[in-house]
Amino acid sequence: EAGVTQSPTHLIKTRGQQATLRCSPISGHTSVYWYQQALGLGLQFLLWYDEGEERNRGNFPPRFSGRQFPNYSSELNVNALELEDSALYLCASSFRETQYFGPGTRLLVL
Amino acid sequence: KQEVTQIPAALSVPEGENLVLNCSFTDSAIYNLQWFRQDPGKGLTSLLLIQSSQREQTSGRLNASLDKSSGRSTLYIAASQPGDSATYLCAAQKTVGNEKLTFGTGTRLTIIP
Repeated sequence: EAGVTQSPTHLIKTRGQQATLRCSPISGHTSVYWYQQALGLGLQFLLWYDEGEERNRGNFPPRFSGRQFPNYSSELNVNALELEDSALYLCASSFRETQYFGPGTRLLVL
Repeated sequence: KQEVTQIPAALSVPEGENLVLNCSFTDSAIYNLQWFRQDPGKGLTSLLLIQSSQREQTSGRLNASLDKSSGRSTLYIAASQPGDSATYLCAAQKTVGNEKLTFGTGTRLTIIP
């Protein structure tokens, strides 16, 4: 069974640009979660989507947004990139309680 | 607001030793607690999930315990191996319907051959 996949693995952008990160959940999982792991700050919850709807949002500005498609895959969009957005962005999916994580997208903002 | 703390931040032990990693949380009203491992530059691998009604869970050489009243969880690793070297994270989920996980800052474990 394929795990959670994320693309791209690495992304380099400059300040002010937009970044789009993608996530495909495990087959049968309807919930997708996004987390940010910035250096020295630990893992922070960003967004939770379930059945196409945003269910919960972490303490991040509105320029962090996303969506979930009918096939349950998800996109995370970060607008007006700032240097401090450089981080590993992890996606997870779940069917019940356990969240299964993908390998992450490492975003570098220059 | 839930806060999750893991002490120590780093730990080095010789191969073969048993060890305990600690996790504490400030809000005891949790739904479950999960332990993950993270290898450098990689995503997270789920190790164990303990429901709030449970006291412990075991998987192979790993045993996780949960004491909600004291706000603590421990991860016990028996007969440590160099392959156990990784960062170990605990995460608390508050309720069903609020599925975000609140993570600790992790313990970086090094097993010395």
